[in-house]
Amino acid sequence: DQQVKQNSPSLSVQEGRISILNCDYTNSMFDYFLWYKKYPAEGPTFLISISSIKDKNEDGRFTVFLNKSAKHLSLHIVPSQPGDSAVYFCAARKAAAGNKLTFGGGTRVLVKP
Amino acid sequence: EAGVAQSPRYKIIEKRQSVAFWCNPISGHATLYWYQQILGQGPKLLIQFQNNGVVDDSQLPKDRFSAERLKGVDSTLKIQPAKLEDSAVYLCASSRPRGSRAGANVLTFGAGSRLTVL
Repeated sequence: DQQVKQNSPSLSVQEGRISILNCDYTNSMFDYFLWYKKYPAEGPTFLISISSIKDKNEDGRFTVFLNKSAKHLSLHIVPSQPGDSAVYFCAARKAAAGNKLTFGGGTRVLVKP
Repeated sequence: EAGVAQSPRYKIIEKRQSVAFWCNPISGHATLYWYQQILGQGPKLLIQFQNNGVVDDSQLPKDRFSAERLKGVDSTLKIQPAKLEDSAVYLCASSRPRGSRAGANVLTFGAGSRLTVL
C-alpha cells in the first residue's frame, strides 16, 4: 500500500527554466508534508515543508503547493540550476504518528547547463 | 551542530551472515529512526525510538532484524541472518520530539550504510 506516490521517476530541464515535481497521497490523515533532496552517497537533506492548513510555502527558489482536495502537492524550482540535479523525495506525516515520515519513491532531476 | 553519524559506510557480506550498523544522532535529539532504502525506492521506516523506548517497529522483520538504543543515545541495527533482498542503504535519522520548538517535524539523516548481500 503506497500512500505517497511520485509518478515521474525522472525529469530533465534546462538551466534557468522551471522544474515541477509532483507528489500524490492517499491518506487524508497526513497533516504535514516535506520535500527532501538527495545527492549520491549522501543522506536525504530537508528542503522545504508545508502544513496542511496552508496551500503554499515559499523559500527562495523553492515553492511547495498543496491541494488538499486533490491530495496532491508539487515542488517548483525556479530558476533551476545544475546544482539542483539530485533525487527529490516527497514525504508525509500523520497527525497521530509522531514525526514518522512516509516517503514517495523519488524523482531524479537533471538540470542541463 | 554535528550531524548524524553512521558506520560503516559500506559493507559486503554473504547471505546468511550477520551485520551490524551503528548510529549516533544529533545531540539532544530524543527521537531516532532507522530507514531502509532499496535502490530506486524511497526510504521505508524500520523502527522509531523515543529516547530508549520503541515507538514503532511495525515494519521491522523481527525474525532477522533487531535494533536497540541503550541509554537513549547511540543505536545499533543488526541483521542476522542476512538475505539477498536486504541489500539496501540503511539510513539513520534523528529529530526533536514532537511538541518541541519549530523544526521538530524535520528529520535529519546520516549518510547511510550501504549493504550488499551476495
